[in-house]
Amino acid sequence: NAGVTQTPKFRILKIGQSMTLQCTQDMNHNYMYWYRQDPGMGLKLIYYSVGAGITDKGEVPNGYNVSRSTTEDFPLRLELAAPSQTSVYFCATVSGGTNHEQYFGPGTRLTVT
Amino acid sequence: QKEVEQNSGPLSVPEGAIASLNCTYSDRVSQSFFWYRQYSGKSPELIMSIYSNGDKEDGRFTAQLNKASQYVSLLIRDSQPSDSATYLCAVKEDFNKFYFGSGTKLNVKP
Repeated sequence: NAGVTQTPKFRILKIGQSMTLQCTQDMNHNYMYWYRQDPGMGLKLIYYSVGAGITDKGEVPNGYNVSRSTTEDFPLRLELAAPSQTSVYFCATVSGGTNHEQYFGPGTRLTVT
Repeated sequence: QKEVEQNSGPLSVPEGAIASLNCTYSDRVSQSFFWYRQYSGKSPELIMSIYSNGDKEDGRFTAQLNKASQYVSLLIRDSQPSDSATYLCAVKEDFNKFYFGSGTKLNVKP
């Protein structure tokens, strides 16, 4: 089992460019999350999904979009990248029910210049 | 706005000592609490979860929860240099949404 995988590991974007961060899980978990972590800070929730076809905004959704067409995949789309979106992005999953443990992917380090 | 507050540190303790990490949260209805460890450049990993008032022990780690005071702590006994990391407190709210503190950096000196 690969767990939670994220691609790419690193990316440099120019201001105004767009990109999609990929997140895939093979644990059949219902819940999936996207967080961003700025230097020296905790994790801020961008978007989350409680199952295929269902997504909702977190604390900091502006400038991002998501979709969840399958249980396995939860891509995060950045439109019109801005320097403020320079951060490390983590995808996480939770199985649901009584198990609330979050499993994190390895992260994507994004720089917008 | 739900808030989870932690002292950013760094907290420095000598090897073998007890490290005490604290976290307060703003939402009185919060029911589930978590401590994650994050090494530099890595993703967070779960150390402890706690749902009821009182203490929960797992090896060298003890989580303490006081819902009346909206306070959760993590004690690390016999601290080792390998415990040097940032410790993140997280609170689960409705619909399985999680809120994280900014983390406390722990340095264990040999």
